[in-house]
Amino acid sequence: DGGITQSPKYLFRKEGQNVTLSCEQNLNHDAMYWYRQDPGQGLRLIYYSQIVNDFQKGDIAEGYSVSREKKESFPLTVTSAQKNPTAFYLCASSQQALNQPQHFGDGTRLSIL
Amino acid sequence: AQSVTQLGSHVSVSEGALVLLRCNYSSSVPPYLFWYVQYPNQGLQLLLKYTTGATLVKGINGFEAEFKKSETSFHLTKPSAHMSDAAEYFCAVSEIYKLIFGSGTRLLVRP
Repeated sequence: DGGITQSPKYLFRKEGQNVTLSCEQNLNHDAMYWYRQDPGQGLRLIYYSQIVNDFQKGDIAEGYSVSREKKESFPLTVTSAQKNPTAFYLCASSQQALNQPQHFGDGTRLSIL
Repeated sequence: AQSVTQLGSHVSVSEGALVLLRCNYSSSVPPYLFWYVQYPNQGLQLLLKYTTGATLVKGINGFEAEFKKSETSFHLTKPSAHMSDAAEYFCAVSEIYKLIFGSGTRLLVRP
């Protein structure tokens, strides 16, 4: 079945450590997205990519980095510069058209040790 | 820029009662609108979408939404709530290269 796979489901970060969240899709979508979700705040866009080897900052990119070396993959690194990384992270993908919905993975919950 | 407002962070209904979740948008162009549902510790699942054509859109799980341009609204309804409908619901409007989400409404269903 086609879909988006996020791993791991749960992740713990130590102080000063960078961690990488994986996102893989087999939907053949060009566009991919990363969101952060905090209780009561909805979804906030971190980074998005419309095409391989290109990506743009979203609303809350500080303390995060991404790469898009393959169409299927869009990993997110939470760096030590992100002082409040505890959140639920969602990856999504879509076809490149305004009338197309985004498809979401099941998320990664990141906590601080 | 587009924006989405969902009225009511929490809505509580009895099982079997009508569900009404409100969404208003602002857009300078004809909008593309979406409703998503999120169950605890899961991703978002598409319920329905409005692009063009019929203003009453039917989705999964018995939900539907009506696009009203004059009211800039896209409210989500279901005639009879089921316990399994308890979840968080997000309205979204399409903007170039991304979706703009509302802050979500948590639906509680009382037995």
